[in-house]
Amino acid sequence: EVQLVESGGGLVQPGGSLRLSCAASGFTFSDHYMDWVRQAPGKGLEWVGRSKNKANGYIAEYAASVKGRFTISRDESNKSLYLQMNSLKTEDTAVYYCAREGNGVDNWGQGTLVTVSS
Amino acid sequence: QTVVTQEPSLTVSPGGTVTLTCASSTGAVTSGYYPNWFQQKPGQAPRALIFSASNKHSWTPARFSGSLVGGKAALTLSGVQPEDEAEYYCLLYYGGVGVFGTGTKVTVL
Repeated sequence: EVQLVESGGGLVQPGGSLRLSCAASGFTFSDHYMDWVRQAPGKGLEWVGRSKNKANGYIAEYAASVKGRFTISRDESNKSLYLQMNSLKTEDTAVYYCAREGNGVDNWGQGTLVTVSS
Repeated sequence: QTVVTQEPSLTVSPGGTVTLTCASSTGAVTSGYYPNWFQQKPGQAPRALIFSASNKHSWTPARFSGSLVGGKAALTLSGVQPEDEAEYYCLLYYGGVGVFGTGTKVTVL
């Protein structure tokens, strides 16, 4: 069974940094692209970025709204995906989801809440 | 900035049929945008329904179907059930960068 468990959310001040983690299990992690998606309170889904799979060099791609501030990485030995968020803004407040690309974006974690506030 | 537009809200009677659409500000939606559809209920993570425009996941109820119609991606719910009341989102890929649609709130009434 595919499982994705996010962690690392919390309260951070504007301009601060935070690193989110996503622990994956139940599938061959290196074979899959992995995405980060966020949802601000009461708003729609926003694609944040993704890490391609091992065969594609783990290249990361980002939405324009986070490019240059956020970095996606992964640790194959720990089957974990990471989202390093720097220079955080109040508008980055959201639930952050980790999701797997298999047949499309097919499996999602339950999300972790990030609140950017002074 | 690319915008993917969906109907803000739709209402359907139990047992009825409703079609949601997903339009791109850049022009016609084709299979090359790999349209995905998701269902989200309050307080829950999204759940995948459709990938590559018309393909269902093993868990997708038969009453859900996806297609490309009139330059848009479409999700049709046939024989709607009360539990289908939810927010629905499409996702399109533009050269590797994903963009979600604005979402459609489906009310079953």
